[in-house]
Amino acid sequence: EADIYQTPRYLVIGTGKKITLECSQTMGHDKMYWYQQDPGMELHLIHYSYGVNSTEKGDLSSESTVSRIRTEHFPLTLESARPSHTSQYLCARIGRRTDTQYFGPGTRLTVL
Amino acid sequence: AQKVTQAQTEISVVEKEDVTLDCVYETRDTTYYLFWYKQPPSGELVFLIRRNSFDEQNEISGRYSWNFQKSTSSFNFTITASQVVDSAVYFCALGGGYQKVTFGIGTKLQVIP
Repeated sequence: EADIYQTPRYLVIGTGKKITLECSQTMGHDKMYWYQQDPGMELHLIHYSYGVNSTEKGDLSSESTVSRIRTEHFPLTLESARPSHTSQYLCARIGRRTDTQYFGPGTRLTVL
Repeated sequence: AQKVTQAQTEISVVEKEDVTLDCVYETRDTTYYLFWYKQPPSGELVFLIRRNSFDEQNEISGRYSWNFQKSTSSFNFTITASQVVDSAVYFCALGGGYQKVTFGIGTKLQVIP
């Protein structure tokens, strides 16, 4: 079981709105990741964290920001959403004794 | 730099046929991990298998089997007697230092009834 949760699953909003995508896990995993993926296309790493107060940008430049104030939560924020932000956002975590990334169900964002 | 190549972007097979999805990787790391994930139309990524670079044993899990060949830098995935529920996008991935993972572009498999 992935035991990683994302809300909302689907979000449709207008241009200029501020949004926060939630990602949470209950098992105390340190390493968490955010990926952006257009439908059926490759995954792009946009942010990652190795623990509380640790955040790094990924390989793909993104206008989003993340925070890691608590181990359980790794929210992603867009201050002013634009149509170019329309995509699926996938959150993942790595367990303590494994190098395998397990993914949440994803959030499909549409910006009108 | 790491690279994963999935040369087949789309494959269509008729139900009950066998199908092999190819994955070729590049890395300078001596220790690394290879993964396969399945992404059904619902969108979530489902982990299928992990193989570390020291273990070249092939693995079989039900109708799924994986062939890891270090000499050719390949980690191919075979589905035997395919079913409609196997229709999905399949991603091969490579993990190196600090567990950053590089994904291939995915192979879309369509199994026709």
